Amino acid sequence: NAGVMQNPRHLVRRRGQEARLRCSPMKGHSHVYWYRQLPEEGLKFMVYLQKENIIDESGMPKERFSAEFPKEGPSILRIQQVVRGDSAAYFCASSPSQAIFQETQYFGPGTRLLVL
Amino acid sequence: KQEVTQIPAALSVPEGENLVLNCSFTDSAIYNLQWFRQDPGKGLTSLLLIQSSQREQTSGRLNASLDKSSGRSTLYIAASQPGDSATYLCAVRRGGNQFYFGTGTSLTVIP
Repeated sequence: NAGVMQNPRHLVRRRGQEARLRCSPMKGHSHVYWYRQLPEEGLKFMVYLQKENIIDESGMPKERFSAEFPKEGPSILRIQQVVRGDSAAYFCASSPSQAIFQETQYFGPGTRLLVL
Repeated sequence: KQEVTQIPAALSVPEGENLVLNCSFTDSAIYNLQWFRQDPGKGLTSLLLIQSSQREQTSGRLNASLDKSSGRSTLYIAASQPGDSATYLCAVRRGGNQFYFGTGTSLTVIP
């Protein structure tokens, strides 16, 4: 059973470009979470999605950031018009369900975004 | 708002030593607390998950304790090995959809 997969692992963008980060959850998992880890800071929650639904985007910046989890295919975190402050590691996690709080979330290897 | 703090930020010990990592959180109304390991350039690996009703969990050389009332958890690593070198993250789940993470303790075990 493959774990959570993220691609690309490293992404370099110039200021003003768009960044698209992909996450394929573990097989059988229908819940996806995105976290951001800024340099010298802890992981911060961004958004929680189920298939075709955004459930909680309380940690998502109001502008330039969007996320989706379509019926088919991976979850996408999209950052428009990137700025240097967006440089960070972006982690995706998945779980089989949300309602069971005893469960953990399984994390992918992350995408390291560098904005020049 | 939940704040999670980890002390120390960095720790260097000789191989074979026992060590303790500390985690504190401000809101004791948590569902569970989890310790993760993060290797450079890699994702997070779950080490131990303690439910709010539990006091400790053990896995091999690792033992994690939870004192919810005082907002503290410790991760005890026995007989440390160079392969234990990594960043250790503490995270609490307060309900809802997210974990709140500390900034981690960077551990180096010297052969």
